[in-house]
Amino acid sequence: DSGVTQTPKHLITATGQRVTLRCSPRSGDLSVYWYQQSLDQGLQFLIHYYNGEERAKGNILERFSAQQFPDLHSELNLSSLELGDSALYFCASSGSSRLAGRGGELFFGEGSRLTVL
Amino acid sequence: GENVEQHPSTLSVQEGDSAVIKCTYSDSASNYFPWYKQELGKGPQLIIDIRSNVGEKKDQRIAVTLNKTAKHFSLHITETQPEDSAVYFCAAPNSGYSTLTFGKGTMLLVSP
Repeated sequence: DSGVTQTPKHLITATGQRVTLRCSPRSGDLSVYWYQQSLDQGLQFLIHYYNGEERAKGNILERFSAQQFPDLHSELNLSSLELGDSALYFCASSGSSRLAGRGGELFFGEGSRLTVL
Repeated sequence: GENVEQHPSTLSVQEGDSAVIKCTYSDSASNYFPWYKQELGKGPQLIIDIRSNVGEKKDQRIAVTLNKTAKHFSLHITETQPEDSAVYFCAAPNSGYSTLTFGKGTMLLVSP
């Protein structure tokens, strides 16, 4: 158990709809990262928050947005959903003062599987 | 930004054999290279990492080697066991070092 909690574990919705994925990081971790995992693209970095502030953006679509709240939990909002948005969405947290790219270990949740029909 | 290529995409071995997974990266300034293991239904988990000031690091049955000149690094698993079956991801820092760019993963299957 990594200590990172993601809800819901599974979500099935229709094209054009909007969903919210939730992540609770490990106790005390200030950094939250969101990744999208699909069969053909592997793990794609979406966005990084540190203590409530956006720190880095990756390949995140304009239809997607995220935020980190004062209690450090984070939400990823996906809107105007398309079939191609079907994927496993991971949240990871890090408590290290080091950035992930400099050696801060990422602790991943078990993911939220989104299916868009 | 960083580009990480990983090979092979799938690897099947017999229990007790060795397995090697290779990755290349594009940014010569990168200096931290972790490997993550993802078991079925779970999120990835760090298993070993290496920094650019060393060429090899071992932890029991797993080892990672780094060739900075050639910009490639490899994961070596010896005496494989069925519980080693999983998807393995290599990674390198993205530009700005805020996070990691992952390879596309290698599915390792260890048959008893």
